[in-house]
Amino acid sequence: NAGVTQTPKFRVLKTGQSMTLLCAQDMNHEYMYWYRQDPGMGLRLIHYSVGEGTTAKGEVPDGYNVSRLKKQNFLLGLESAAPSQTSVYFCASSSGTGKSHFGNGTRLTVT
Amino acid sequence: GENVEQHPSTLSVQEGDSAVIKCTYSDSASNYFPWYKQELGKRPQLIIDIRSNVGEKKDQRIAVTLNKTAKHFSLHITETQPEDSAVYFCAASNEGFQKLVFGTGTRLLVSP
Repeated sequence: NAGVTQTPKFRVLKTGQSMTLLCAQDMNHEYMYWYRQDPGMGLRLIHYSVGEGTTAKGEVPDGYNVSRLKKQNFLLGLESAAPSQTSVYFCASSSGTGKSHFGNGTRLTVT
Repeated sequence: GENVEQHPSTLSVQEGDSAVIKCTYSDSASNYFPWYKQELGKRPQLIIDIRSNVGEKKDQRIAVTLNKTAKHFSLHITETQPEDSAVYFCAASNEGFQKLVFGTGTRLLVSP
């Protein structure tokens, strides 16, 4: 039982490049989330999904897109990376009880 | 939408002392309040949570209290140990637990 798995762990992009972060969970959770974590700002919700085929905007959605084609996977895309998107990205999942399980994070640097 | 404020941003205590971290929330409809601990370079992990129908919850050395009238909740750690050193985040949720709104975190340093 791996829980929540994020790939890759590290990534460096040049401004304007695109990339996709993958989140996979094996707990059969309905809800999945993408957060970004910046120093002094806590965890801010980018997008979330309440079930397969659904997505919704969080607190800071601009510049990101997501897809939830399969229940176990939640993808986060950056179409044209900007230095302001340098951050640590966490995926999380929940069964709907409120308890969220986090992945180990992806450290993204945009130069 | 919901807004969660957390204080202090840093907290230094001596081993064995108690530590208290406080959070306030804005949305009276929020009904679930978890606390997460994040060690350096690691993922946030749930350490304790409380729902709005309960005023206090304890788990060994940690406890959480909730005051719905004042819209604030607190994390209490007793007999602190160096391994308690980490960043602690509070959060609040409503809408059927669909979204968590996090505080900005408290860096706790426990000195031997």
